Amino acid sequence: DTAVSQTPKYLVTQMGNDKSIKCEQNLGHDTMYWYKQDSKKFLKIMFSYNNKELIINETVPNRFSPKSPDKAHLNLHINSLELGDSAVYFCASSQDAGDKSYEQYFGPGTRLTVT
Amino acid sequence: DAKTTQPTSMDCAEGRAANLPCNHSTISGNEYVYWYRQIHSQGPQYIIHGLKNNETNEMASLIITEDRKSSTLILPHATLRDTAVYYCIVRVAYGSSNTGKLIFGQGTTLQVKP
Repeated sequence: DTAVSQTPKYLVTQMGNDKSIKCEQNLGHDTMYWYKQDSKKFLKIMFSYNNKELIINETVPNRFSPKSPDKAHLNLHINSLELGDSAVYFCASSQDAGDKSYEQYFGPGTRLTVT
Repeated sequence: DAKTTQPTSMDCAEGRAANLPCNHSTISGNEYVYWYRQIHSQGPQYIIHGLKNNETNEMASLIITEDRKSSTLILPHATLRDTAVYYCIVRVAYGSSNTGKLIFGQGTTLQVKP
């Protein structure tokens, strides 16, 4: 059973389109994250949600809108896709209790290619 | 910016111990040292973490110096499947608005050779 899953695994689309990436975790965790890994392999945090509430937003363009329908899901919607959005996007989750944070478990990634 | 510095790459012979160093000279009292690895094209994988005592689990050991300014991740018997990029991260684990935030640096690319 996959702990953190993402769909789709690959996404190829044209500039200007709107696309969504879905993430689900079956670990019962309270906190979920989105990270972006660019072509130079740097991993950067984008967002974090705790119990459906946004707690970290790392100056990401507002074309990116995370949505958390429940604490097991955190989807990433991207409007007006640009070439620079091409990257691998990773979802992660962790069991954060109160003000203490624990290790994060990552999904397999979604490779987004914008042409 | 990442608060750690690591060598860019290292080689290790299969079956030998891999010792991966990390410097974190500006670490604060409430920051833990975490290690993750990323095997090619996969999501990062948690390995181990510690505050000031040495830690060991089924994957690795973590040795933290007494002044906490550096640490070493030890893979006791490296296998070819341990070839990956290893990230050392210092992270606030409690009581901060930055709790939970992982800042990845370049990491160390470990190549395990037969």
